Amino acid sequence: AQTVTQSQPEMSVQEAETVTLSCTYDTSESNYYLFWYKQPPSRQMILVIRQEAYKQQNATENRFSVNFQKAAKSFSLKISDSQLGDTAMYFCAFMKPYIIQGAQKLVFGQGTRLTINP
Amino acid sequence: DTEVTQTPKHLVMGMTNKKSLKCEQHMGHRAMYWYKQKAKKPPELMFVYSYEKLSINESVPSRFSPECPNSSLLNLHLHALQPEDSALYLCASSQTVGSYEQYFGPGTRLTVT
Repeated sequence: AQTVTQSQPEMSVQEAETVTLSCTYDTSESNYYLFWYKQPPSRQMILVIRQEAYKQQNATENRFSVNFQKAAKSFSLKISDSQLGDTAMYFCAFMKPYIIQGAQKLVFGQGTRLTINP
Repeated sequence: DTEVTQTPKHLVMGMTNKKSLKCEQHMGHRAMYWYKQKAKKPPELMFVYSYEKLSINESVPSRFSPECPNSSLLNLHLHALQPEDSALYLCASSQTVGSYEQYFGPGTRLTVT
């Protein structure tokens, strides 16, 4: 079974700083997907970024980028120029596609609560 | 349109009540999901529907009954719930081929009294 570990329960940085959230996972699969979701106090789970395991190039989305180390099974999220609106719970998630008839199971880490201070 | 809608936003029900949660998406996704999330915890998968058929049931108690009337709608029927069932219930949808990200709705905050 796959497991996802986020070792930082809480983090706090000043606005405009860069912050890195860590995530490690355990799997014997070679084909899989990794995601970072954010959940602000409004409760909505929002996809931040995704990475396909077969791609060596790290994914980027504006101020968000990942450092994907497949051999080390590490998938960290870097937020540059952090903003107050980045305050949220961040979940790392693993997914193996095509579990049953196209449906997939997401395995979430325990989350990191990130606070951006003004 | 990448929106998943859920109604109601809040629900308070007694242990003898029967209620339903509703989820809707118009993205053409053929996989839909119910998750339960307790405070400060990650979502826990409950059910998955793929092509309107129940694909995954994560050993959820029978007091939770899912239904997928069509490819855009997903319901969760609730009956004889316990106070420990109080949680945020999230619905999500995804494609079944190609892109695999799941899009989540805003959730229904359920309180069982």
